[in-house]
Order: sequence, then structure tokens, then C-alpha cells
Amino acid sequence: GAVVSQHPSRVICKSGTSVKIECRSLDFQATTMFWYRQFPKQSLMLMATSNEGSKATYEQGVEKDKFLINHASLTLSTLTVTSAHPEDSSFYICSAYSGGANVLTFGAGSRLTVL
Amino acid sequence: SQQGEEDPQALSIQEGENATMNCSYKTSINNLQWYRQNSGRGLVHLILIRSNEREKHSGRLRVTLDTSKKSSSLLITASRAADTASYFCNMGTSYGKLTFGQGTILTVHP
Repeated sequence: GAVVSQHPSRVICKSGTSVKIECRSLDFQATTMFWYRQFPKQSLMLMATSNEGSKATYEQGVEKDKFLINHASLTLSTLTVTSAHPEDSSFYICSAYSGGANVLTFGAGSRLTVL
Repeated sequence: SQQGEEDPQALSIQEGENATMNCSYKTSINNLQWYRQNSGRGLVHLILIRSNEREKHSGRLRVTLDTSKKSSSLLITASRAADTASYFCNMGTSYGKLTFGQGTILTVHP
């Protein structure tokens, strides 16, 4: 089946630094990738939609300059949390869509802790 | 994209019992999907039921769909401790964009 690899699974960084999270579709080409954020005991919040070769579309309230998304190829999208602060600590999950039956394949998530 | 509303918010059962959770939605759909999220992990797609289907099975999972009531149910039979997770329903779109409700948190006690 379709597999999405997300890396790193855990990252700890100092306040003010930037962190990059990668999302790769391993055995299929993803026309669209989605980035979610999840706080403890809460549901997933859609942050942005990433299409290969074009600018990401951000959901209302998500700072595009804070959360930089790049979708350079049909198998790779990256999320960079710039100038991270403790309130950016969260669980970030990507998913990839390859068309067809509208089923999303999710990565395992990346837990970011900003000290 | 519309999101489903899962009910109940939390469900606690003993191993071996059946677990039933429900999903309601507002507008017409092409298909409805159920996902599972284990704690601290990404989501896993469980099953998809199309709008012209009424019932679908996959292993210990049984999904029903009632488009007249705009509702679906997910039944997990003979539950196991490993079924402990959050369960989400969602309606497929033509471009994959999904938003999520609060889900049902299922706890299966050994």
C-alpha cells in the first residue's frame, strides 16, 4: 500500500531557531500534500494544502511566513517552522493525496518541542 | 470540505466486547471514510464506503451508511486492547482535502 514517510519523528530545538520537517511519498506520486497540527487531546487542525510546483494554500489564521511550505517534487513536501517559539510546540502530521478514491495516506507525525 | 461529527466523544469497553461509534454529516457525499489514530501517531485509513453502498465489512470492522439520515456507524467486533485509539470519520472530496472533527476516543480495557 501507499506509504508516507515523515522525518524527523521527534525534534527538540531552542527558541528562535528554525526546524524543517520532511514528508515523502515513498511509492507513489502525491499531487497534493496536506499539513496538520495537533495539540494534546485535540483533533487535527488543517494548516495548509501543498501542491507540487505552486505556492501552498494556507488555512485562515495560519501564518505563512511562520510556517514555510515547499513542495518541490511530486514525492516531497517540507514544512519549516521559522523562528520557533515554545507555543509552536505541537505534533505536526502530513498527508499525501494521489487522486482516485480520495483516500489520504498519513505520515507518522513529527513531535516538535521548542525550549 | 465538510467534517463529520463523531459520537460518542469517548467510549470505554472491555476486551471482547463490541464498540459502536457514529458519524453524522450535513451535506451530500460521494463517499465516507473512517480513520484511526493511535496515540502519538499519524492516521490510518480503515475503510471507505461509497454513497451507493449501505454496508461494508473489513475484518472485524463493519461500516453502515444511511444517506437519508446523513449518518454512518462503525462497529468493531470482539475488540482488543490494540483497538484503543481515536476514530475519525470523513467525507471524501475530489482533491483530498479533509478537515477533522473531535473523533471518538475508544479505550479497550484488557
